[in-house]
Amino acid sequence: GAVVSQHPSWVICKSGTSVKIECRSLDFQATTMFWYRQFPKQSLMLMATSNEGSKATYEQGVEKDKFLINHASLTLSTLTVTSAHPEDSSFYICSARMEYSNQPQHFGDGTRLSIL
Amino acid sequence: AQSVAQPEDQVNVAEGNPLTVKCTYSVSGNPYLFWYVQYPNRGLQFLLKYITGDNLVKGSYGFEAEFNKSQTSFHLKKPSALVSDSALYFCAVRMDSSYKLIFGSGTRLLVRP
Repeated sequence: GAVVSQHPSWVICKSGTSVKIECRSLDFQATTMFWYRQFPKQSLMLMATSNEGSKATYEQGVEKDKFLINHASLTLSTLTVTSAHPEDSSFYICSARMEYSNQPQHFGDGTRLSIL
Repeated sequence: AQSVAQPEDQVNVAEGNPLTVKCTYSVSGNPYLFWYVQYPNRGLQFLLKYITGDNLVKGSYGFEAEFNKSQTSFHLKKPSALVSDSALYFCAVRMDSSYKLIFGSGTRLLVRP
């Protein structure tokens, strides 16, 4: 079945550091990828929609200068948390969908980000 | 606006008993409904979906869900629960034009031995 790989799975870094998270579709071309944020014991909040070759579409309230998204190829999207601060600590999850498909989105295993 | 509600934060059931995790939805147009499961520190795994057709949808790991248009519900069910089913379950509705998923708040299922 379709697999989405997310890397790293866990990162701890100092406040002020920028952190890049990768999301790869391993066996299909993903024209659209989604980035979610999940707080402890809460639901997933959609942050942005990433389309290959174009600018990401951010949800209301999400700072696009803080959360930089790049979808450089049909199999890779990256989320960079710039100048991260403790309040950016969270669980970040990506998902990917195939173009022209009613197949469900496939999710990565998430990245646990902890900012000290 | 489209939305999904999961009225129960937690559902407790004994192993071997049937389980139900509730979900209601509000959409304009035809609903595209999904159930996902999340284990600790993992992403979401797809269980089943309703797009059109039979109201009873069968999915992975013995789960099924019943679409009820008049009650705008899409409850997840399993005839006999396993301890390994203990996890966080999310109902979601897809926004038709953009493929975005709107998730419910999640329901924690605890199956006791």
